[in-house]
Amino acid sequence: DAGVTQSPTHLIKTRGQHVTLRCSPISGHKSVSWYQQVLGQGPQFIFQYYEKEERGRGNFPDRFSARQFPNYSSELNVNALLLGDSALYLCASSFTTPGSPEAFFGQGTRLTVV
Amino acid sequence: AQSVAQPEDQVNVAEGNPLTVKCTYSVSGNPYLFWYVQYPNRGLQFLLKYITGDNLVKGSYGFEAEFNKSQTSFHLKKPSALVSDSALYFCAVRPMDTGRRALTFGSGTRLQVQP
Repeated sequence: DAGVTQSPTHLIKTRGQHVTLRCSPISGHKSVSWYQQVLGQGPQFIFQYYEKEERGRGNFPDRFSARQFPNYSSELNVNALLLGDSALYLCASSFTTPGSPEAFFGQGTRLTVV
Repeated sequence: AQSVAQPEDQVNVAEGNPLTVKCTYSVSGNPYLFWYVQYPNRGLQFLLKYITGDNLVKGSYGFEAEFNKSQTSFHLKKPSALVSDSALYFCAVRPMDTGRRALTFGSGTRLQVQP
């Protein structure tokens, strides 16, 4: 079975540019979340989407936005990139049943802003 | 607000010896607790979870974790470490009683298993 897939795996952007990251969840998972992992730190929650609606947002500026599509895939968009946005961006998908609360993560997109 | 503390940046253990990676948490209400492992330049791999019931939960690759409600701890353990267990380990929590699925992670503990 395919796990969570993210694209691209690596990306280099210039300050001020815009970036779009993509995520396909595990088949059957309707909830998708995005996390930012800066080098040397634990992942930080950015967004959660379920049934195409935003269900949670972390402490990130409005430059960060996301959406979920009818097939449950998701995009994370970041505008006006800053050097500090350089990080590993992780997508996670999960069931929404109480007995299966665990999230499964993709391999991440390594974003470098220069 | 919820939080997770992993007090050790690095744990060193000899191959074949038991290992423990410590985690304490703070959350409103009952917690879901998780351990994840991260290998270099990779995403997070799910190891195990605590939902309810037995305080000792077993997971992948021989890992287990002990939930202690009074100490708000969820330490990761393995009876006999392997060199291939060397990686970065993250503890995570989220409240059980809300619809929010946002995980709060600790800062991570690097496990180094020496041959």
